[in-house]
Amino acid sequence: GEDVEQSLFLSVREGDSSVINCTYTDSSSTYLYWYKQEPGAGLQLLTYIFSNMDMKQDQRLTVLLNKKDKHLSLRIADTQTGDSAIYFCAESPPGTYKYIFGTGTRLKVLA
Amino acid sequence: DGGITQSPKYLFRKEGQNVTLSCEQNLNHDAMYWYRQDPGQGLRLIYYSQIVNDFQKGDIAEGYSVSREKKESFPLTVTSAQKNPTAFYLCASSTRDRGINQPQHFGDGTRLSIL
Repeated sequence: GEDVEQSLFLSVREGDSSVINCTYTDSSSTYLYWYKQEPGAGLQLLTYIFSNMDMKQDQRLTVLLNKKDKHLSLRIADTQTGDSAIYFCAESPPGTYKYIFGTGTRLKVLA
Repeated sequence: DGGITQSPKYLFRKEGQNVTLSCEQNLNHDAMYWYRQDPGQGLRLIYYSQIVNDFQKGDIAEGYSVSREKKESFPLTVTSAQKNPTAFYLCASSTRDRGINQPQHFGDGTRLSIL
């Protein structure tokens, strides 16, 4: 089936690292994406990784990709209260205009 | 600045009424999308359009209709046939580079409620 899976909730203390995990479905997906959604807002693209990469780092964000296991993770270093939001991973299989989104992980940062 | 504009931000529908949600983009993207988001859930695809004057049904198209007369605009009509329209509606657009889908850009959403 076309299910991208994520855990529903994650709670961390301010200053700790957060790791949000995702399992995707199509090993031929060229790009894999991470989006952030704040309350009442649309989705904001955080970062994305090309499928021939294992890791991508962008300031406090690190994306790890394990193609063999179809596993994607997003690590947020030094998590701040402003990072509290819902995080979605997504893939876009080749040969289609569609994007498939996970159910989202709600990150709560405790002060 | 380029982006996607959705309007209105809040919309109320009476029983038996059709309502139209607006989505405009100035990113020069060919593809546009409508998603529905229910509380605590992910995004479900309603309709998408790859090019002007063409569109395809997504996973939950029943009770909705769209048009794509201009590249910049992709309005969504929620018809009276949609019995449970209360949700957050998101519009998105994207382009392709050498046949590969580039990241989607999203509007700020429209929250639709029943009166």
